[in-house]
Amino acid sequence: ETGVTQTPRHLVMGMTNKKSLKCEQHLGHNAMYWYKQSAKKPLELMFVYSLEERVENNSVPSRFSPECPNSSHLFLHLHTLQPEDSALYLCASSQEGGVYEQYFGPGTRLTVT
Amino acid sequence: AQSVTQPDIHITVSEGASLELRCNYSYGATPYLFWYVQSPGQGLQLLLKYFSGDTLVQGIKGFEAEFKRSQSSFNLRKPSVHWSDAAEYFCAVAGGGGSYIPTFGRGTSLIVHP
Repeated sequence: ETGVTQTPRHLVMGMTNKKSLKCEQHLGHNAMYWYKQSAKKPLELMFVYSLEERVENNSVPSRFSPECPNSSHLFLHLHTLQPEDSALYLCASSQEGGVYEQYFGPGTRLTVT
Repeated sequence: AQSVTQPDIHITVSEGASLELRCNYSYGATPYLFWYVQSPGQGLQLLLKYFSGDTLVQGIKGFEAEFKRSQSSFNLRKPSVHWSDAAEYFCAVAGGGGSYIPTFGRGTSLIVHP
């Protein structure tokens, strides 16, 4: 595998379910990101993990919980979601310690029923 | 705070025609600027970036962009569009307030007519 991979690619879940999204990067980067992409809305940064810092968007509801066990893996744990959480969830990685381009995974299309 | 405006939500061009997608940024110093492309069902892919130096930047797939400080713009251009260029295009700026995390524009959807 190369680049940034995300699993699953598609996920349908009920509002009472618990699921997790997985992201893995094979680029040797030290920073990883979760974005939410909804139709007709700007790309929304949810969380950032790097060796230097963790950044959270304070507007992200607590029903989204990130986990970053090492610099290559990033998870997004989901529980008791709402229909408005349906979106494309994108993972990205980059080098850290300055401004660098981000490399994105293909995303997980989440539908909450 | 840094911000990006992409004034055009949709752009329609004929195949073979030239293309220019607009991007304006708000930032206090020399910005770090990016253009990304997103094909349907895919993540974002970097087309090109500007950090410093020559203000005309060449990217992949025949795209180029020009940084104009006086106009706070970083417009994306391509001399001849191919049907496969139909996608969503995002401009991004970083470096504002010491943050390396980019701010993305809302995107411009490119439609290519045969």
